[in-house]
Amino acid sequence: GENVEQHPSTLSVQEGDSAVIKCTYSDSASNYFPWYKQELGKGPQLIIDIRSNVGEKKDQRIAVTLNKTAKHFSLHITETQPEDSAVYFCAAIPSGSARQLTFGSGTQLTVLP
Amino acid sequence: GAGVSQSPRYKVAKRGQDVALRCDPISGHVSLFWYQQALGQGPEFLTYFQNEAQLDKSGLPSDRFFAERPEGSVSTLKIQRTQQEDSAVYLCASSPRSSGVTDTQYFGPGTRLTVL
Repeated sequence: GENVEQHPSTLSVQEGDSAVIKCTYSDSASNYFPWYKQELGKGPQLIIDIRSNVGEKKDQRIAVTLNKTAKHFSLHITETQPEDSAVYFCAAIPSGSARQLTFGSGTQLTVLP
Repeated sequence: GAGVSQSPRYKVAKRGQDVALRCDPISGHVSLFWYQQALGQGPEFLTYFQNEAQLDKSGLPSDRFFAERPEGSVSTLKIQRTQQEDSAVYLCASSPRSSGVTDTQYFGPGTRLTVL
């Protein structure tokens, strides 16, 4: 089955700086890679996703890159703000599965004012 | 519109009690998923429904866990004879379609279960 590894587990940045979170996956058949933000006491909220037929996707301050050859994908947040502080999870769905998400272990991002 | 809702938000059970957790998916969503999230970990898949059919229950940790979605909308996750290791947040997610392009999964707020 799919295995997703995520790092770092914690990340602190100054407000206005950029943050990068990286994930690797094991199943070369995986074709969908979402990123979720989870605030304390809430469910995961999708912030961006990428499919295997593209290498990069951007939405305002958030971007995701995908390297299928190396089987890794990254989340980039620019101009960080205190409200970006949360736990971020990467995930993958292998092609042909029942479409359940396999999640990474999460990154606690803290943006210091 | 309304998102995925779950109830109760918090549940405390004594070891050995049975519990039932409810999920109301987004109206019209065909697919429904249950995940278990231990403290400090990412969610882990439990089971998947397409309408009323339970197509995958490979993630259910034991036969004490049972899920149903009898009319293809609301789903209930039942845990019998709860154990301390069942303490976790139980998340429900729904997505619009059953086949074709992989759809976004929209998550509810979760039910935090504490077994004493």
